[in-house]
Amino acid sequence: RKEVEQDPGPFNVPEGATVAFNCTYSNSASQSFFWYRQDCRKEPKLLMSVYSSGNEDGRFTAQLNRASQYISLLIRDSKLSDSATYLCVVGKAAGNKLTFGGGTRVLVKP
Amino acid sequence: DGGITQSPKYLFRKEGQNVTLSCEQNLNHDAMYWYRQDPGQGLRLIYYSQIVNDFQKGDIAEGYSVSREKKESFPLTVTSAQKNPTAFYLCASRGEGQNYGYTFGSGTRLTVV
Repeated sequence: RKEVEQDPGPFNVPEGATVAFNCTYSNSASQSFFWYRQDCRKEPKLLMSVYSSGNEDGRFTAQLNRASQYISLLIRDSKLSDSATYLCVVGKAAGNKLTFGGGTRVLVKP
Repeated sequence: DGGITQSPKYLFRKEGQNVTLSCEQNLNHDAMYWYRQDPGQGLRLIYYSQIVNDFQKGDIAEGYSVSREKKESFPLTVTSAQKNPTAFYLCASRGEGQNYGYTFGSGTRLTVV
């Protein structure tokens, strides 16, 4: 079983709609959780950290479920510019290496 | 502005050649990392360093070497022993604290010709 697993998609989303997807992780000792966004042929960029209580940044909402060992990302009012691959990233401790999921591809269409 | 600089952006290697990819950061981060990404695939860890003069192998270290003589610099050498080096190489650094993610450089795209 992979340490971090994601549905590769693609999720085809009409512009203005809401899309949500999950990521599961296998190591219960994981302490750090992030969502990154990667555009085609570019480097990944930090979208948001995921906190235990859940957090929101504009149209993006991230949730952490420690009991079931997954994190989620919800995008409201999808824009064409939200089309990208979203990477789930998990770490065990501060300063430690992070493990990446394979990414979920989202395509927002007019 | 603080950040990570990778060079070159594109690199072409002949069979049997060693090539070195540069990674420099001015974020004052102790930890630095090298990842490889193949088309349509996730990131795989090659090497990482948590402090100057120390580094560890990642999941796919064979055919690669690194050095960490300065805090700011973490160059990666792709040796002739790496049989399939064509890929997108990403360097990253990470600050202290579990809520810090990686900051990535813009990557080097290596092609064997």
